[in-house]
Formats: sequence, structure tokens, C-alpha cells
Amino acid sequence: DAGVIQSPRHEVTEMGQEVTLRCKPISGHNSLFWYRQTMMRGLELLIYFNNNVPIDDSGMPEDRFSAKMPNASFSTLKIQPSEPRDSAVYFCASSFWPSGDNNEQFFGPGTRLTVL
Amino acid sequence: TQLLEQSPQFLSIQEGENLTVYCNSSSVFSSLQWYRQEPGEGPVLLVTVVTGGEVKKLKRLTFQFGDARKDSSLHITAAQPGDTGLYLCAGDAWGFNKFYFGSGTKLNVKP
Repeated sequence: DAGVIQSPRHEVTEMGQEVTLRCKPISGHNSLFWYRQTMMRGLELLIYFNNNVPIDDSGMPEDRFSAKMPNASFSTLKIQPSEPRDSAVYFCASSFWPSGDNNEQFFGPGTRLTVL
Repeated sequence: TQLLEQSPQFLSIQEGENLTVYCNSSSVFSSLQWYRQEPGEGPVLLVTVVTGGEVKKLKRLTFQFGDARKDSSLHITAAQPGDTGLYLCAGDAWGFNKFYFGSGTKLNVKP
């Protein structure tokens, strides 16, 4: 399996522009997570889906952020409009839950977003 | 405020030394995980502990879950340059597959 696939790997945009990050989870996994990582705040959970349904979006910073999972093999995280403070590395992760005691999350390589 | 506090934040040691990294919280966790992250990549799971007092070993790495399931430690014996990376603990507070990550410990092992 190719693992979790994220695109783009790098995105540089200007303040006010719309940004869309994409994720393809591992086939067969039923849970998908979007995280944001910064030096100041570490790795923060933004939202997670189970069986394509958003379960918890309490980590989404504000209304400018939205996430969708139209099917089991694709998810998007959209920021509109983007702001410089949104600059971070955004990770997508997937897992199969419940899976006994392990509950391993498999992370993608991340998208490094820079908002100028 | 982080739900999970890790210490130390940074650690730079020589190859061959031993070290311990701590992950502490005032909350009880149904399970706790340790991940390692290398630059430019996503975190990779090292271990999951679920029972209070549990000890797991992975080659030179020893993981312990506190008796009260509020804290954990990671001990590395005879560290090697390949151990360099960011070590993250993550706790599932209510068993609903929602993990809170600690602030991380950045380890540098010098040859």
C-alpha cells in the first residue's frame, strides 16, 4: 500500500486566497484525522471522521476552516480566506477503529502551508 | 495549556548514553501512545500502552505506563544517531479514538 497520500506537499499563497488540502487515506481504514503542527502549539487535532461522518470538529479554529469527506478514499481541508497565522504543516492520518489495543494512526507526509 | 506535558523539550546527548523522556498529565487515559517523527515526515507509531503499570520493550526502547494511567516514560538505552527525532506522546482520554498529543521532546544524538 502507498500509505496516506497528501497533496500538495508545499503550498505558498497570499493572504485572502482560498487553500485546499487533499488527502487519500489507506484503503480499508474507516477513520480519518486532520492535524496541524506548529512550533508554538505542537500537533493539534482539527477534525476527525469515522465512516466518512465528521465526529468531532471542536479543534477547527474558526469558520474559515472546513473539511469534507465525500467518500472513503478522499478528504479535503479548505481554508477560506487564508491568513498568515494559518501557516503550518497540516497532516492527514488514517486508522481502522476499533482495532483492539493498538489504534495505530498512519500519518501522511504533510502539507507545508505558507501564507504570505 | 497542553493536556499532556512532555519533558525535557530538548535533549542533546552523545552516542551510547542513556536517556528518559517523560509524558505527564492530570487526566486519566484509556491508552497512551508514543510516536517518533523525523524532519519532513509524519509521526510513526512506536508503541501503545493500555494497562496501568504496563512496561513494553522495543529493542533499546522501554516504555512504561503509570499505575494511575496519567503518565508515561520512554527510556532509551545506549542511544544511537538513528534515534534522533521528535518523540511525541498521545493519549486517548475517553476511548473514543480521539488522541491528544504532547508538546514533544526533540532528541539529538551526536556520533
